[in-house]
Amino acid sequence: QQQVKQSPQSLIVQKGGISIINCAYENTAFDYFPWYQQFPGKGPALLIAIRPDVSEKKEGRFTISFNKSAKQFSLHIMDSQPGDSATYFCAASMRNFNKFYFGSGTKLNVKP
Amino acid sequence: DTEVTQTPKHLVMGMTNKKSLKCEQHMGHRAMYWYKQKAKKPPELMFVYSYEKLSINESVPSRFSPECPNSSLLNLHLHALQPEDSALYLCASSHPWGKNIQYFGAGTRLSVL
Repeated sequence: QQQVKQSPQSLIVQKGGISIINCAYENTAFDYFPWYQQFPGKGPALLIAIRPDVSEKKEGRFTISFNKSAKQFSLHIMDSQPGDSATYFCAASMRNFNKFYFGSGTKLNVKP
Repeated sequence: DTEVTQTPKHLVMGMTNKKSLKCEQHMGHRAMYWYKQKAKKPPELMFVYSYEKLSINESVPSRFSPECPNSSLLNLHLHALQPEDSALYLCASSHPWGKNIQYFGAGTRLSVL
């Protein structure tokens, strides 16, 4: 059973547009929700993360929106750039438990 | 320094070979991880070491043998692999408590012939 469901599988956005990727989870014990960015041939890199005690976190052009009651969280990339073209994974974990549950990934293509 | 270093970057091995993958970090992290990643798929957890002790084994076949000789090093010993084991093998590290931020290495691209 997939613990974290991610959509869409792929996304094409024009330069300057907003990219939105969504994730949903079932386990209410999750308390840490990171987003990772992965370029081809590289390992995933932490982009931004949120804990369920806040509804939104913003770092530069990247924002996580978190809806605890709906058990959903999303990544918004404002003013998307071609350099943002990568695969994005959401994930979830429980405090003090060293296991991360990854979403299936979204391949983002930002067209110039 | 938030770097996790993996060697080699690429590895080609036959099904009868024995090889090892190496991972090193100097961030003081006491949790280290091995993941396997197939193309267009998320990382799939294989093993977790916490304070140099194996804490999670995700039912990985015995042809994969992890080792954590000290708090900075993590090895993955490979023996009698199958072609379907070809993948990107990722190492990661984190504090075993608190922020749970995982830092990944660039991976080893393994091809089994």
